[in-house]
Amino acid sequence: GDSVTQMEGPVTLSEEAFLTINCTYTATGYPSLFWYVQYPGEGLQLLLKATKADDKGSNKGFEATYRKETTSFHLEKGSVQVSDSAVYFCALTDNAGGTSYGKLTFGQGTILTVHP
Amino acid sequence: KAGVTQTPRYLIKTRGQQVTLSCSPISGHRSVSWYQQTPGQGLQFLFEYFSETQRNKGNFPGRFSGRQFSNSRSEMNVSTLELGDSALYLCASSAGLAANEQFFGPGTRLTVL
Repeated sequence: GDSVTQMEGPVTLSEEAFLTINCTYTATGYPSLFWYVQYPGEGLQLLLKATKADDKGSNKGFEATYRKETTSFHLEKGSVQVSDSAVYFCALTDNAGGTSYGKLTFGQGTILTVHP
Repeated sequence: KAGVTQTPRYLIKTRGQQVTLSCSPISGHRSVSWYQQTPGQGLQFLFEYFSETQRNKGNFPGRFSGRQFSNSRSEMNVSTLELGDSALYLCASSAGLAANEQFFGPGTRLTVL
């Protein structure tokens, strides 16, 4: 079945540092890929997405490129802020329909803490 | 546009009881998915409803059930609660196509004592 693997956390950075959170996936079809962020006490917010190979999703300074050859979708940001402290989830949905309808498969989440 | 709303936000129940959680999707969205989030298992898919029909179901016991109404609002029910059902229950709405992004509500925190 489909699966998503994220780098182990937690990740602790100083403000303005470069961020990379690794994400690799296994899927039987041609998935769409997502990064979601969860702030304390809240639900998940969509950060960015990519629907086909070589697509680059970007939002709020975060970027991720859909790499089919390496089955990866790594999240990057050039300069993190304290307000970026949150839990980040990589996810996929298989576009085959059927048993993939409405189903996101998530990685285990990566806790990011940014210090001033 | 109003976001996804979930009620109640917090619930405390005892083992053996049953509980009903409610989710109102974004206006115009016909698909509602439910997820269970726990520290040990992470985010796991429960089921998805589209136009009042369950289209997809995850690997949860039959104690977990749901339904969707004609206005797309959805409820999920857990019967005979167990301690392990303590979790954050999230619902998400989307337009319903396989590749559509999902928009999440704030969740209902269920504690089973």
